[in-house]
Amino acid sequence: EDKVVQSPLSLVVHEGDTVTLNCSYEVTNFRSLLWYKQEKKAPTFLFMLTSSGIEKKSGRLSSILDKKELFSILNITATQTGDSAVYLCAVRDDKIIFGKGTRLHILP
Amino acid sequence: GAVVSQHPSWVICKSGTSVKIECRSLDFQATTMFWYRQFPKQSLMLMATSNEGSKATYEQGVEKDKFLINHASLTLSTLTVTSAHPEDSSFYICSAIGTPTNYGYTFGSGTRLTVV
Repeated sequence: EDKVVQSPLSLVVHEGDTVTLNCSYEVTNFRSLLWYKQEKKAPTFLFMLTSSGIEKKSGRLSSILDKKELFSILNITATQTGDSAVYLCAVRDDKIIFGKGTRLHILP
Repeated sequence: GAVVSQHPSWVICKSGTSVKIECRSLDFQATTMFWYRQFPKQSLMLMATSNEGSKATYEQGVEKDKFLINHASLTLSTLTVTSAHPEDSSFYICSAIGTPTNYGYTFGSGTRLTVV
């Protein structure tokens, strides 16, 4: 059965800390891995990863994929209270399968 | 680019009535549309996948006669919740991918459905 597992499920850190969110997967026909940030409404797209070892960066956020070990990480450096959200990892094969998300809370 | 417009953003309906939710891709051709349901503090659960011009593929446990999906054009897909019941109250979100290749992966803004 295809699955996407995220860890930790929740995380509380202080502003300025660096966090690493994990996503492992098992799918039949991998096409891409996606990271989203969800606050109160629909998720907003962060990254799409298709190749191993190539880091994608956007400001303080970065992500990398390891297709051999079947996982990805999302790093957030110098966290801010506005980073508080649920971060969703999804993997696309014939459809898009979501993990349960990591609920991140940044304390001021 | 890659904008998906979903409406209504919220709707309250009486038990037994039907509700239609629309998703439109505004600046790309949505060859595939995914419909999700999300209960509070839970992740997105895929309900069905629809490709333009063909019947939707429903996930196990999702009643296709209750959740009617139409994807008649490359820019519009609709989800109709028929004979809604309070347990259908949820957050429904669409996501589209399309052309150029892999363009999109964008979500609509979601519809909060409350059945009373």
